[in-house]
Amino acid sequence: ETGVTQTPRHLVMGMTNKKSLKCEQHLGHNAMYWYKQSAKKPLELMFVYSLEERVENNSVPSRFSPECPNSSHLFLHLHTLQPEDSALYLCASSMGGGNTEAFFGQGTRLTVV
Amino acid sequence: GENVEQHPSTLSVQEGDSAVIKCTYSDSASNYFPWYKQELGKGPQLIIDIRSNVGEKKDQRIAVTLNKTAKHFSLHITETQPEDSAVYFCAASDGGSQGNLIFGKGTKLSVKP
Repeated sequence: ETGVTQTPRHLVMGMTNKKSLKCEQHLGHNAMYWYKQSAKKPLELMFVYSLEERVENNSVPSRFSPECPNSSHLFLHLHTLQPEDSALYLCASSMGGGNTEAFFGQGTRLTVV
Repeated sequence: GENVEQHPSTLSVQEGDSAVIKCTYSDSASNYFPWYKQELGKGPQLIIDIRSNVGEKKDQRIAVTLNKTAKHFSLHITETQPEDSAVYFCAASDGGSQGNLIFGKGTKLSVKP
């Protein structure tokens, strides 16, 4: 248990659906991240929030929409996804400010059909 | 931006042998290098990290070495055990104010009893 909780653990959605992934941390961290993990690819950083402000968006398609209502919660809203978006989506948190340990959740395994 | 290369992609060793995984990075400004272990169905977990003011760090059977001049760092696991079987990721901080982690592609380590 790392202190970062993601729900749901598994999600199957059609290309026309709208769904949301949720991440929660109670570690007192200031920064939260979304990563995408696909087979045979490095972990890809998607979004970074620091003190609830989005500080980075790594050219992610607009069908992925993040939301950080407070420093403990992070959401990833999904709509009109493509089959190639199927992957493990990992949330992480850290103290931020650079060079600090990132704690990961267990991920949401997303399948787009 | 930072680029991290990791080798090998798969590694099979006999229980009790040593395992070595190597990574190179491109950004000389990077100064934080963590290693993560990811077991099946779980998110990555930090096992050891090193900062650029240190050349080597040990924690029981695990050690990491850093060569800043050559821009490479390595993970060494001695006296391997079957429970060491997992995917291992190296990462480098991109040196920016957020210290975002850039990951290698991972090494799948199998320890045969």
